[in-house]
Amino acid sequence: QTLVTQEPSLTVSPGGTVTLTCASSTGAVTVDNHANWFQLKPGQAPRTLIYSTTNKHSWTPARFSGSLLGGKAALTLSRAQPEDEAEFYCVLFHGIIWVFGGGTKLTV
Amino acid sequence: QVQLVQSGAEVQKPGASVKISCKASGYRFTSYFIHWVRRVPGQGLEWMGMIDPRNGNTNDAQEFQGRVTMTRDTSTSTVYVHLSSLRSEDTAEYFCVREELNWIFDYWGQGTLITVSS
Repeated sequence: QTLVTQEPSLTVSPGGTVTLTCASSTGAVTVDNHANWFQLKPGQAPRTLIYSTTNKHSWTPARFSGSLLGGKAALTLSRAQPEDEAEFYCVLFHGIIWVFGGGTKLTV
Repeated sequence: QVQLVQSGAEVQKPGASVKISCKASGYRFTSYFIHWVRRVPGQGLEWMGMIDPRNGNTNDAQEFQGRVTMTRDTSTSTVYVHLSSLRSEDTAEYFCVREELNWIFDYWGQGTLITVSS
């Protein structure tokens, strides 16, 4: 069974920068895993921030960016705002299935 | 504008089944996959599977195989997920989410809370 691992929790100061990562138990994450990142806030439906590892949707704030970092997918938040406090999930494509990470609770 | 509107919350007894709908609008229904994702209280997101509205082909997560059925009705641009043999651990919020045919997730439904309780 494929496992996807994220940091359980992270804290960033307002205006600061933080990087969340997404690792696969099958090995290094590559562009072929097509990482997507989602933001969840209480009482709201998830919102997709990043697709295909690095690409932003039209609604994605510019302070969010996606990348590959050290064999993992990464989501970097620059100039953190209080409203960015949320849970963040990655999902990775593994051949024919998608596997979500356990999520990162980000405190600003 | 793109919308995915899901059916309302339900309470079901253990052993029963539930069918949740996700009605799409604002785009060509057959041009995008629809995935089902759930969130169990206090836990993370879990991928259940997906359906290709063009032909009804599905792909389910191993954890749900045998219990989940995904279907679509192209005349109403609606997809459905049917989950059988419900147990308390199936209490969760269920979401549909659209995927453009190149691994691009974008729009989500508003969620449907399913409570399994005797």
